[in-house]
Amino acid sequence: NAGVMQNPRHLVRRRGQEARLRCSPMKGHSHVYWYRQLPEEGLKFMVYLQKENIIDESGMPKERFSAEFPKEGPSILRIQQVVRGDSAAYFCASSPDEGYEQYFGPGTRLTVT
Amino acid sequence: ILNVEQSPQSLHVQEGDSTNFTCSFPSSNFYALHWYRWETAKSPEALFVMTLNGDEKKKGRISATLNTKEGYSYLYIKGSQPEDSATYLCAFPAGTALIFGKGTTLSVSS
Repeated sequence: NAGVMQNPRHLVRRRGQEARLRCSPMKGHSHVYWYRQLPEEGLKFMVYLQKENIIDESGMPKERFSAEFPKEGPSILRIQQVVRGDSAAYFCASSPDEGYEQYFGPGTRLTVT
Repeated sequence: ILNVEQSPQSLHVQEGDSTNFTCSFPSSNFYALHWYRWETAKSPEALFVMTLNGDEKKKGRISATLNTKEGYSYLYIKGSQPEDSATYLCAFPAGTALIFGKGTTLSVSS
């Protein structure tokens, strides 16, 4: 059973470009969570999605950031017009249901130059 | 604002030493506490989910205890080995999110 997969593992973008981060949950998991780790910081919750629905986006910046989890395909975290402060490691986790243990992917390290 | 504190921030021990670290969390409205092990360049790996006051869980040489009334959990590693070197995170569920501490980074020298 493959674990949570994220791609790309490393992403370099210039200021003003768009970044798209993908997350494929574990088989059988329909709940996806995105977390961000800024330099010298811990993991911070961004958004929680179920298939086709955003359940909780309280941790996501109001502008430039969006997330989706379509009926088919991976969950996408999209950052428009990236700035240097967006440089961080972005982790995705999945669970079979709300409140269950979350299984993490290897992360995408975004560098904005 | 919910706060999860871990101490110490880092720890360096010799192979064979036993060690422990602390996670402090809000004691009101307790639901569960998660422990994760995070090796460099890998994904955080779930160790324990603890739900009951007084609970003690064990996985090999690693064990954890929980005190929900005073809001703390201890993680113990018996006879540390170099492969135990990692950052150990605790996390407290708040709604749908996990609120993570900053972790304790353990380094074990052979």
